[in-house]
Order: sequence, then C-alpha cells, then structure tokens
Amino acid sequence: SQELEQSPQSLIVQEGKNLTINCTSSKTLYGLYWYKQKYGEGLIFLMMLQKGGEEKSHEKITAKLDEKKQQSSLHITASQPSHAGIYLCGAVGSGTYKYIFGTGTRLKVLA
Amino acid sequence: EPEVTQTPSHQVTQMGQEVILRCVPISNHLYFYWYRQILGQKVEFLVSFYNNEISEKSEIFDDQFSVERPDGSNFTLKIRSTKLEDSAMYFCASTAPQGRSPLHFGNGTRLTVT
Repeated sequence: SQELEQSPQSLIVQEGKNLTINCTSSKTLYGLYWYKQKYGEGLIFLMMLQKGGEEKSHEKITAKLDEKKQQSSLHITASQPSHAGIYLCGAVGSGTYKYIFGTGTRLKVLA
Repeated sequence: EPEVTQTPSHQVTQMGQEVILRCVPISNHLYFYWYRQILGQKVEFLVSFYNNEISEKSEIFDDQFSVERPDGSNFTLKIRSTKLEDSAMYFCASTAPQGRSPLHFGNGTRLTVT
C-alpha cells in the first residue's frame, strides 16, 4: 500500500527565515495535497499538485511536485509566527478514492 | 465559504457505551470520509462512503464501527461498544465529484473513553 514519509518531523525556525518540508511517496502520486493543522483543529487545505514538475504558490508558501511524481516539497519564505502548525501532505493513488496522509511536520516559528 | 460541520466538538463516554458522531458535509459533495487521529499520531483513514454505501474501509473499521447517511445532509459514524483505545479525534471530510478534488475537513470530535 502507498506510504507517505515527511521530513523533518519537527522544525523550529526564527521569524523571517526560509524553510522547506519534504514529502516522499512509495508510489507514483496521482494527486498530492498539502494541508495545515493547528493543534486540536481540523486540516485546512493549502494546495493541490497533480502534474509532474508542477509548482504552485499562495502568499509566501510554494509547493512543488517532482517530474517523477514521487516527491513534493513545501517551501515557506520569510516565515512568520502565523505559519506555525503541523503541515501534512496527502495523496490519493490510482484506482482509489482513499486519501492517505503523511506523518506531519510540526513547525514552530520564534518571534 | 461552505464548510463541513461536526458535532459534538467533544464527547466523553464510558467504556462499552455506544457513541454517534455527526457530520454535515458540504452540500454538493458526493464522497464522504471519516478519519481518526490519536493524540500526536498521524491522520488515519477509517472509511469512505459514496452513493449510499461504503466504498473502502481500513482494518481499523471493524464490526464495532458503522456509518450512515440517514437523510440528505447528515453523515454519521457509530461506535457500538467503545474501548479505551477509541479515544481520539475523529474527522469527517467530504469532496466534490470532479476528479480527485481535495478533501475538506470538519473541525473534528474529540472522543474520550473512560
């Protein structure tokens, strides 16, 4: 079955610094989704990537999907305390509508 | 913006009791899901539901669990006889019928089994 590994597991950065979170799939991705979760709350959808080499940006967050569609990265530029939370990648495989999620990356931004 | 709503936000129950968690998915969505997140752990798939029947379920979703869409708006998860290890956050999600659209999640129900 498909597995998603995220790295790092946790990250503490100073406000204003850039950071990158990685998500690696054991199988080809047919849809890759990035979510943000605040403690005790639901998952908020950030971005979806479907094509190899695709890149999307929203405000200071950029997500990329590699050409082979097995790895994605989430990059935050000039981080702010409001970026703090848990970032999860999610995916759905071929022939299924079952969405699975990575282990999550816990981000803390120090003011 | 339409959202998925879940009730209650927190449920405390005794071991062996039945609980029903309720969800109202986004109105034009056709695929519905339940996920579980034990404190500090990953978000785990429980079940997906489409066209009034279960389309996929995980190993966690055993005979103690059931789902239902009793009317045109509600989607429920029932746990017949709760165990201590059922304590977790339960998230409902829904998605539109077009392709593999992203899931939209509710804020969850925190279930505590004592």
